[in-house]
Order: sequence, then C-alpha cells, then structure tokens
Amino acid sequence: QKEVEQNSGPLSVPEGAIASLNCTYSDRGSQSFFWYRQYSGKSPELIMSIYSNGDKEDGRFTAQLNKASQYVSLLIRDSQPSDSATYLCAVIVRMDSSYKLIFGSGTRLLVRP
Amino acid sequence: KAGVTQTPRYLIKTRGQQVTLSCSPISGHRSVSWYQQTPGQGLQFLFEYFSETQRNKGNFPGRFSGRQFSNSRSEMNVSTLELGDSALYLCASSLAIRLGEQYFGPGTRLTVT
Repeated sequence: QKEVEQNSGPLSVPEGAIASLNCTYSDRGSQSFFWYRQYSGKSPELIMSIYSNGDKEDGRFTAQLNKASQYVSLLIRDSQPSDSATYLCAVIVRMDSSYKLIFGSGTRLLVRP
Repeated sequence: KAGVTQTPRYLIKTRGQQVTLSCSPISGHRSVSWYQQTPGQGLQFLFEYFSETQRNKGNFPGRFSGRQFSNSRSEMNVSTLELGDSALYLCASSLAIRLGEQYFGPGTRLTVT
C-alpha cells in the first residue's frame, strides 16, 4: 500500500463549479498535511497546510482533514481555467527517529471554460 | 527574498557518466530536500540534508548521493548514469521546523542517452 494515495484523474469540471480533490494516507500517526499545486512544466508550490481535524479555508480553497478516516481533501470553489494543474497531496510521516515529507502521485484537474 | 536556485537547468549525459547538480536554498532555510520526478513515478524523495548532515534518505541506489555545505547550499551526484535516471530533479528548501512547507527550485532536467 502506498503511503499517500490520490486518484490520478483527470478530474474535469466546468468553470464556476466546485472541484473536490481527495487523498488518503496510511500512517495513522501523521499530524501534518499539505496541498501543493504544480502547473505543467513548473515546480510544485505550496497552497494549503492543515494540522487539525476539520476545515481550513483560504480564499477559494478549503482543506478538510479527517484523521479517524485518514483522509484529506481540497475543495476549490468557483473553479477557474487557471486552476487547471496537478494537485499533490503531501504528508509528513515519521521514519525511525526522523520525519520526511511524502507526496502522492497527484490529481490532474481540468477546468473547462 | 530570492527563491531556490538550481544549476544547471538542463543537462544531457551519456550512460556510464556521472553528474553533479547544485542547489542554493532560500536564505535562512537550513533544510534542503531532493526529489526525482518522472511521469510514471511522480515525485520521489531522494534525501534531505540539515546542517550538513543527511537526515533522511529515500529508496534509491547508492549511485545517488548528496552533500550540504556550511552555507546550506547542496549538491547531489549521480554516478554511472543509466537511461532510467532521465528525469526532472527538484530541490526544495524549508525552515527546519516546517519540513512540510517546502519551496521548490525550477529543477534540473537530466537526459541520459
């Protein structure tokens, strides 16, 4: 089982709709979760972090965390064509006495004008 | 603040050769992580350095190595290059206590022929 799993997509939504991106993780002890956005040909950039159960909102983005279900999601409201990108879920996992950031394989989002 | 810089941006090598890639982190960031990104495998963690010490290592063969200097700049080396090493190599820096909040450089595109 992969440590961080995402549906590769593509997830296609019309402009103005809500895009819902999902991620599951295997390490029950993980406490820190992140969403990165990667445009084609560019590097990943951090867009959201979440550490507590519940929702965290930042503009059109909402991250949701459910530690009991080991599930993280990212909602993008009023989706725009400029949101078309690959979204990477990342989780900090503990390995022996240290920590490392593990990325999922990403979900490609296409927003249709 | 200047972002993460990586040199060179593009590199073409032949099988059996070795290559050294360089990364300069954001000023004040002492943690530097390296990733390999390929279309099939996604973003794979190579290693992380902090204060000139390797804190973590991914599941890559010993041909992949790295180091960090006292000014936090980092290099990674790949010896005896194989065709499968063709990839985008990304460096990311972060504050040591915020490992999940990583800032990526533009990457080095390595092609092995």
